[in-house]
Amino acid sequence: AQTIHQWPVAEIKAVGSPLSLGCTIKGKSSPNLYWYWQATGGTLQQLFYSITVGQVESVVQLNLSASRPKDDQFILSTEKLLLSHSGFYLCAWSPGWGGGEQYFGPGTRLTVL
Amino acid sequence: QQKVQQSPESLTVSEGAMASLNCTFSDGTSNNFRWYRQHSAKGLEVLVSIFSDGEKEEGRFTAHLNRANLHVSLHIREPQPSDSAVYLCAVSGTGANTGKLTFGHGTILRVHP
Repeated sequence: AQTIHQWPVAEIKAVGSPLSLGCTIKGKSSPNLYWYWQATGGTLQQLFYSITVGQVESVVQLNLSASRPKDDQFILSTEKLLLSHSGFYLCAWSPGWGGGEQYFGPGTRLTVL
Repeated sequence: QQKVQQSPESLTVSEGAMASLNCTFSDGTSNNFRWYRQHSAKGLEVLVSIFSDGEKEEGRFTAHLNRANLHVSLHIREPQPSDSAVYLCAVSGTGANTGKLTFGHGTILRVHP
């Protein structure tokens, strides 16, 4: 069975500090990977997706970047956090592009002060 | 660009009574439509995915899709207090954007014992 793990569970950071959020998928080779963001009271938005190692496409510009250093790992980061980055970050995977189901991780709650 | 609207914003039902949630979208050429559930800022749980006009049932959850009316609904049979959560409608993109999900704002469902 496939499992998806996100870390950390929650983070409180200062404005201007760097950030790195991680996501790993076990039990599935070559998954498509996605990062989503949900501002408090806002709509869930897809930020990035990756079809293969080393390749990441940006969907929404939020002064964040993403990388896929390994087949089962997806990293979301920024060098300087903004207050507007606060929210809930979800990683998801799907077996293929297109109509395949997307399965979500437990999420990371980020508070920027 | 796909726009997804959900109604009502919140819904309170008694345990055992049918709960009906609505979702309208702007582009009926999307490949698939999904309903997810989110408990208290946790990860998303997929409930039903529907690809063709008509009805699809997954346990107590039934989705109805009508592309001509740009409408997909979710009906929850015999809801329990544990079904209290935020219900999210998601619509996939088209063509090269099939893996891009656009979410609605969500419907908060409360089920009273």
